[in-house]
Amino acid sequence: DGGITQSPKYLFRKEGQNVTLSCEQNLNHDAMYWYRQDPGQGLRLIYYSQIVNDFQKGDIAEGYSVSREKKESFPLTVTSAQKNPTAFYLCASSHDRGGGYTFGSGTRLTVV
Amino acid sequence: AQKVTQAQTEISVVEKEDVTLDCVYETRDTTYYLFWYKQPPSGELVFLIRRNSFDEQNEISGRYSWNFQKSTSSFNFTITASQVVDSAVYFCALSEGGRNTDKLIFGTGTRLQVFP
Repeated sequence: DGGITQSPKYLFRKEGQNVTLSCEQNLNHDAMYWYRQDPGQGLRLIYYSQIVNDFQKGDIAEGYSVSREKKESFPLTVTSAQKNPTAFYLCASSHDRGGGYTFGSGTRLTVV
Repeated sequence: AQKVTQAQTEISVVEKEDVTLDCVYETRDTTYYLFWYKQPPSGELVFLIRRNSFDEQNEISGRYSWNFQKSTSSFNFTITASQVVDSAVYFCALSEGGRNTDKLIFGTGTRLQVFP
């Protein structure tokens, strides 16, 4: 079945360490997105990519980095510069030929 | 700038009651899409509906219905005869530009609790 796979589901890291969240899709979607969700704040856009080898900053890109070397993959790195990284991270993808946006099941990152 | 407002933070109802979730949006584009998503406790977002800016017809899908009014920039969602399984956080979202690869802007969500 086609879909988006985010791994791992839960991630614990020590403060000051970089960590990379995986997002893979087999939907042949052109665009991919990373959102961060904090309690009571809805989803905020971190980065998005509409085509391979290109990506744009969202509203809260500081302290994060991404790459889009392959159409199916859009990993997100949470760097030590991100002041408050503990959150729920959701990856999504969409096709330029219509349909809705498909979301992964999320990664809950806890920094201790 | 584009913005989505969901003023209702939390709503509690008893099973079989009807409930309406409000969504107000701001955009300067004439071409845009509006969405509703459901987020159950598992965390994954479930797509419910997409509506483009040129289609103001109301839509009904089973117990769900949506009322899109451009004059008031609103896209409200009604659940008829609510059930416990409807308990979730519901998000309204906006995508400008008319392409399906434009970024989604979300409201802060409305938590719906349906009690038996």
